[in-house]
Amino acid sequence: RKEVEQDPGPFNVPEGATVAFNCTYSNSASQSFFWYRQDCRKEPKLLMSVYSSGNEDGRFTAQLNRASQYISLLIRDSKLSDSATYLCVVPAGGTYKYIFGTGTRLKVLA
Amino acid sequence: DAGITQSPRHKVTETGTPVTLRCHQTENHRYMYWYRQDPGHGLRLIHYSYGVKDTDKGEVSDGYSVSRSKTEDFLLTLESATSSQTSVYFCAISDLQTGANVLTFGAGSRLTVL
Repeated sequence: RKEVEQDPGPFNVPEGATVAFNCTYSNSASQSFFWYRQDCRKEPKLLMSVYSSGNEDGRFTAQLNRASQYISLLIRDSKLSDSATYLCVVPAGGTYKYIFGTGTRLKVLA
Repeated sequence: DAGITQSPRHKVTETGTPVTLRCHQTENHRYMYWYRQDPGHGLRLIHYSYGVKDTDKGEVSDGYSVSRSKTEDFLLTLESATSSQTSVYFCAISDLQTGANVLTFGAGSRLTVL
């Protein structure tokens, strides 16, 4: 099992739709988690941090399920500008390293 | 935005030539990282640094070396570039001690080895 796994997609959704991605992780000791957004040919940028059960920021909600070892990202009322790749990032416990998922690609269609 | 710059942003070189990529930060963050990103593999850690002159290998370090003589600069060197090192290279910074444990990335350096 990979340390961090994501469905690569693409998820093609119409504008205004709600879409959710999951990310599973193998290290049960992980305490913090991150969602990054990466646009084509750009650097990843932090979207949300998740330290406990979840986090909400406008149309975006991140939730953590420790029992099943996954985090999810929910995007409500999708916009064309939400089209990007969403990376799940999990710090490697006890080190300064971070483990990246391969990303989930989202396309929001007009 | 965090002050982190990479240079060069684009480089085309030939197999066997040395290449050095530079990462410069103005945030005084302790930790610096070099990643490469390739289709199907996501971001993979090459080397990282946890202080001046303190570096360690990541998961794909073969063929790469690094140096950090100052807090603000982290250099990645390909001693003899190969076509398999064609990739996009990202530098990142973080500082666990100040609570800024999120990674902040530079804009990337796109390297093509012919």
